[in-house]
Amino acid sequence: DTAVSQTPKYLVTQMGNDKSIKCEQNLGHDTMYWYKQDSKKFLKIMFSYNNKELIINETVPNRFSPKSPDKAHLNLHINSLELGDSAVYFCASSQVQRAQYFGPGTRLLVL
Amino acid sequence: QKEVEQNSGPLSVPEGAIASLNCTYSDRGSQSFFWYRQYSGKSPELIMFIYSNGDKEDGRFTAQLNKASQYVSLLIRDSQPSDSATYLCAVKGDSNYQLIWGAGTKLIIKP
Repeated sequence: DTAVSQTPKYLVTQMGNDKSIKCEQNLGHDTMYWYKQDSKKFLKIMFSYNNKELIINETVPNRFSPKSPDKAHLNLHINSLELGDSAVYFCASSQVQRAQYFGPGTRLLVL
Repeated sequence: QKEVEQNSGPLSVPEGAIASLNCTYSDRGSQSFFWYRQYSGKSPELIMFIYSNGDKEDGRFTAQLNKASQYVSLLIRDSQPSDSATYLCAVKGDSNYQLIWGAGTKLIIKP
């Protein structure tokens, strides 16, 4: 199946822990994104990579570090997790100027 | 600050009627406009995009764009209970990569 996939789907962890979320797309797109959607359901862009190069880096704490090993993969590492990091994190991909396609989301709960 | 505005709803429409969802945007130079549907607990799913002034139809869905008035709308004909979801409007901003997102309109189709 052609798609954007994310792992894990659910992540429950304690404050202060470090965790990673992985994203892969097999749509042949050259641009990938990380979004955060909080309890109020607003989609907020965090990062975007085009051909492995960081092109959007919104005001996000330094505890969040993205990494794109190749055009098809974009990972997100979060250090020292805080309660306020609890949200759904979506990965998306697109061709330049075209529609974005979303992964299923990772539901992060920090206790 | 470029913005995309949507009425948060909920918008309640009887089954079989036409649902009309509206979105206004602040950047007069915007070129591309997207409608996404998000079911509760799921990821945003692209349903339509429109680039030119006028109407674009796809099945029961019609997107309408009026660049002079800076609004884009989505009409859903013969509304079904399965259309109940949050509808997100997204507009391509200055960047080739970034979409500006509205907060979404919650649509409820009553049987």
